[in-house]
Parts: sequence; structure tokens; C-alpha cells
Amino acid sequence: DVKVTQSSRYLVKRTGEKVFLECVQDMDHENMFWYRQDPGLGLRLIYFSYDVKMKEKGDIPEGYSVSREKKERFSLILESASTNQTSMYLCASSLGGPTYEQYFGPGTRLTVT
Amino acid sequence: GENVEQHPSTLSVQEGDSAVIKCTYSDSASNYFPWYKQELGKGPQLIIDIRSNVGEKKDQRIAVTLNKTAKHFSLHITETQPEDSAVYFCAASMGGSARQLTFGSGTQLTVLP
Repeated sequence: DVKVTQSSRYLVKRTGEKVFLECVQDMDHENMFWYRQDPGLGLRLIYFSYDVKMKEKGDIPEGYSVSREKKERFSLILESASTNQTSMYLCASSLGGPTYEQYFGPGTRLTVT
Repeated sequence: GENVEQHPSTLSVQEGDSAVIKCTYSDSASNYFPWYKQELGKGPQLIIDIRSNVGEKKDQRIAVTLNKTAKHFSLHITETQPEDSAVYFCAASMGGSARQLTFGSGTQLTVLP
């Protein structure tokens, strides 16, 4: 079974703090993704990576950055957290090549106060 | 970029009845249309998908139909059961470097016993 794990289920941070969300997949997948999920807005793509050290902006990259130094790990960084970044963050991975199916982690509920 | 609209946002049905969720997409270049199910406290999971060269696909109680001309696709669940209660997301993809998906806003399906 593909397993995607996220470092925390719940996280509370203060405005202005630097926040790291970590995601690890154990199936040697090429692609990894970060989404945020908000009620009524669905899943919105923040950043994705199709190879180690390769990244592309998604639909809402402002205020975020990412790092992929190893194939299995994809980190989302909030350089200076703001209250409007309070959300559920979901990480996903996919095999790559012609495959589309994404496997999701359980999510991290981030609250910025 | 691609835009996916999903309706309704909430849907309640009696156990045993059918449920239909509809999505429209904006970009005719999209060629892959998956449906994901998200249970409480978990990440979304792929339940069925369809490619643009197919009009309908069925898997036991669930089916997906695609109308390329109208740019819409639908999820049909027959003989609904309480365990079908979840949030359902449609998505569309044009391919891209990581086969990235654009998701709809989600439908909360409640199956009443």
C-alpha cells in the first residue's frame, strides 16, 4: 500500500512565525503535491514537484515556498505565517509517467493566531 | 487555466436511493476526469476515473459519464448505503509535467438511514 505521511495532524502557530510542513511518501513516486483545503473552495494546488529539486507553482503559491531535496520528502514552508493561511493542508504523491492517480496524506490542520 | 465547477455542494438521500453529482470544466484540452472520496479525518481517495475517449464507465454501484461537447461529467451512485456518506470531489487534468489536477469545490453527501 502507498503511504503518504504528514508530520503533524494539528499545528498552532503565531502570526509571523516560519512554519514547516513535512510530507513523506514510501513508494518511490516521482510527483508530489501540496494543496490547501477550505470549505466551499475544494482543494487548491499550492506547489508541485515532478523530480528532486524540481518544483512548479500551482494556482495559489503566494506566501508559500517548497523544498524537495530527497525523492521521498516534500516540504511546504510558510515564510511568515498569516491568519489567512489557517487551513487544512494536504500532501499527495503520484507515480509519474502516464499515471494520474494521486495518493493523499491525512492532512495537517494549521491554525495561525 | 482550467476551472472546474461542482454541484450541488450538499446532497442528502435516503438509503437505497441514487445520488448524482455534476461537474463542468472550462478547458477543452482536459482529457482525464477522476472522482475522489474523502471520509472524515482522511485524505481524498480515488474511486473512479474516465478519460476523454470514453463516454461512460461503471464500477459496481458507481458510474461516471462524460459529455465532451458540453464539457461536463457526472458521478452516479446507485443503491446508496450509509458508508457512502463522505465528501466527493471531481477533478480535471490536461496532463502537464506532473499530470496535475484541478479540483471542484466538493459535495457533502449524506445517506440517511
